Amino acid sequence: RKEVEQDPGPFNVPEGATVAFNCTYSNSASQSFFWYRQDCRKEPKLLMSVYSSGNEDGRFTAQLNRASQYISLLIRDSKLSDSATYLCVVNPRLPGNNRKLIWGLGTSLAVNP
Amino acid sequence: DAGITQSPRYKITETGRQVTLMCHQTWSHSYMFWYRQDLGHGLRLIYYSAAADITDKGEVPDGYVVSRSKTENFPLTLESATRSQTSVYFCASRAGTPNTEAFFGQGTRLTVV
Repeated sequence: RKEVEQDPGPFNVPEGATVAFNCTYSNSASQSFFWYRQDCRKEPKLLMSVYSSGNEDGRFTAQLNRASQYISLLIRDSKLSDSATYLCVVNPRLPGNNRKLIWGLGTSLAVNP
Repeated sequence: DAGITQSPRYKITETGRQVTLMCHQTWSHSYMFWYRQDLGHGLRLIYYSAAADITDKGEVPDGYVVSRSKTENFPLTLESATRSQTSVYFCASRAGTPNTEAFFGQGTRLTVV
C-alpha cells in the first residue's frame, strides 16, 4: 500500500458544482496533514492545513478522519480558477525529529463553463 | 527578496556534463528538500537536509549530490547528467517546528540532451 493515496481523476465538473476529494494514508501515527494546489507544473502552494476538528476556508472545507486514516477536501461553488491538481500531503511520525513530507500523486480537477 | 528562490529557471545541458541547481531561502528554515517531478510520478524526494551540514537521501538520490554549508543554501549537483534526469526540479524549505507547511521555489526545468 502506498503511504499516501489519491484518486488521480480527472474530475470534470461544471461551474458552481460541489466536488470532494479523499486521500488515504498508511502511517497511523501521522502528525500533520495538508492540501496543496499545483497549477500546470508550477510550484505547489499550500491550500490549507487540515486540523483534527476539521476546518473551513471560504469555499474549501478540509476534514481528518484518524480512525479510517483519510483526509478530505470539499470545494463548494466551483470556479473556473479552481482548475488545478490538488495534492494531499502527510507528515508521518518517524524516528527522530523528522520533517519529511509524504506527497500524494495529486487529483486533477477541471471546472468547465 | 524574502522567500525561496531557485536558479536557473531553465537549463539545457548535454549528457555527461555536471550541472548545479541552486536554492536559496531567506527564512532560516531548518529543513530543505529537493524534489523532482515527472509525469506519472508526482513529487519524488531526492535529498533533504535537517540543518547545515546534515543531509540525507530521499527516494531517488542516485546521480545527485547535495551540500549544505550554510542554512540558507542547498545546491543540488548532477555529477554526470543523463537523459533520465530531464525533469522539473523543486526546492522546498520548512521550519523545524511541527505542523508547519513547506514552501517551494518556482522550480528549475532541466533538459538533458
